[in-house]
Amino acid sequence: SYEVTQPPSVSVSPGQTATITCSGDKLGEKYVSWYQQKPGQSPALVVREDSKGPSGLRDRFSGTTSGNTATLTISGTQAMDEADYYCQAWDKRTVVFGGGTTLTVL
Amino acid sequence: QAQLVQSGTEVRKPGASVKISCRASGYLFRDFFIHWVRRAPGHGLEWLGIMSPSGASATYAQNFQDRVTMTGDPSSTTVYMELSDLRSDDTAVYFCARNPTGDATWFDIWGQGTQVTVS
Repeated sequence: SYEVTQPPSVSVSPGQTATITCSGDKLGEKYVSWYQQKPGQSPALVVREDSKGPSGLRDRFSGTTSGNTATLTISGTQAMDEADYYCQAWDKRTVVFGGGTTLTVL
Repeated sequence: QAQLVQSGTEVRKPGASVKISCRASGYLFRDFFIHWVRRAPGHGLEWLGIMSPSGASATYAQNFQDRVTMTGDPSSTTVYMELSDLRSDDTAVYFCARNPTGDATWFDIWGQGTQVTVS
């Protein structure tokens, strides 16, 4: 079955740029979405179709894909961005999530 | 506004079944698929399957094919997910999420989650 891989954790200083990667075979040929999940809350869409914001407009969250890797970039990281982040793609009519990355804002 | 509201906390013994509901409101029900996703303690998000808005068809993740059943009632805009032969590692928060029909690949609205404890 298809798998996508994320680093378990990423740390960033407040105000800096955080990058979270998601890797999978020919992932660049699929649309990737990203979700943020804070403790006790439901996941929330932050990027869809590789690079679009939920409303079609970009904010501090942006995404790119190239080859086998999708990347979520958070600009001007704030304490409120501390959360788990998941990439998601489709493969043969099934949905695949990455294992999740815990973002820590130090 | 569009929302998905799930049923409440469930506690079951190993070997039992659980059925969770997800009621949609505030949008045209037929324009969105409903998916089920869970998050177990210490684990990430795990996809269980997708339900068509008509309730006529469902596709399940390979890991759950023999234990999960998804059904829908368009008249009440409610979708159900039943998981049978429960084990302790089925303890998790279960979410429903909507996905626009057509070529859309994302989940834009999620339910509040239903805690299922198997003990």
